[in-house]
Amino acid sequence: NAGVTQTPKFQVLKTGQSMTLQCAQDMNHEYMSWYRQDPGMGLRLIHYSVGAGITDQGEVPNGYNVSRSTTEDFPLRLLSAAPSQTSVYFCASSRTTGRHEQFFGPGTRLTVL
Amino acid sequence: KQEVTQIPAALSVPEGENLVLNCSFTDSAIYNLQWFRQDPGKGLTSLLLIQSSQREQTSGRLNASLDKSSGRSTLYIAASQPGDSATYLCAAADGANNLFFGTGTRLTVIP
Repeated sequence: NAGVTQTPKFQVLKTGQSMTLQCAQDMNHEYMSWYRQDPGMGLRLIHYSVGAGITDQGEVPNGYNVSRSTTEDFPLRLLSAAPSQTSVYFCASSRTTGRHEQFFGPGTRLTVL
Repeated sequence: KQEVTQIPAALSVPEGENLVLNCSFTDSAIYNLQWFRQDPGKGLTSLLLIQSSQREQTSGRLNASLDKSSGRSTLYIAASQPGDSATYLCAAADGANNLFFGTGTRLTVIP
C-alpha cells in the first residue's frame, strides 16, 4: 500500500492564481480531511469528508473548495490564491469516524507571492 | 472550541534519559487522543492512539496516558535516543473524527 499520497510536493503561485492540491489513499478509508500547518499555530482543519459525495467545512474553510467523487481521491482547490494561504498542507485519512487512527500524507508546501 | 496545549514547547535531554511530554485539552468530550511524530520537512507519523475509554497505551519505549476528566495526556519516552529527536504533536478527536492539534514539543536528544 502506498498509503496517503499528495502532489505536488512544492508549489509557488502568484496572487490570484488557482490550483488543485491532489490527495489519494489506497486503504479504502471512508474519512478524509485536509489540514494546514502554520508556524506557531499547529495544524488546523480546512475541510473533511466522511464518504464519497459528502463534504463539510472545518475550522478554516474560506478560500478553499473540495469535492469527493470517489473513495480514493479528495482534491483541495484554491480558487484565487492569497499570500495568507502560504502554508504546508496535509491530507489525512482513516476508517470510519470516531475511533480510528488517522494517517497523514507527506504534505504540500505552498508559497503564494 | 477545543483548545489543545503542549508543554514544554522545546526540550533538550541527554541520551538515555527518560522524559515526559505533556498535552492538555479544554473539552473532555473527546473520542480519542493521538500522538504523532513529525521530522523536519516531513509529514506526521502516528505513534499511539488512546481511545476515550482507555487510560493508557504502550508501544515499545513509548507509553501514553489519558485522563479525560482532568483534560490531560502524557507521552512517556524511556531511554531516549538521538533518533527520537523530532517534534511531537498531540491531537484530540471529536465525534466527527476531526483532530484538534497542539503546537507540539520539539525534542532534541543529545548524544
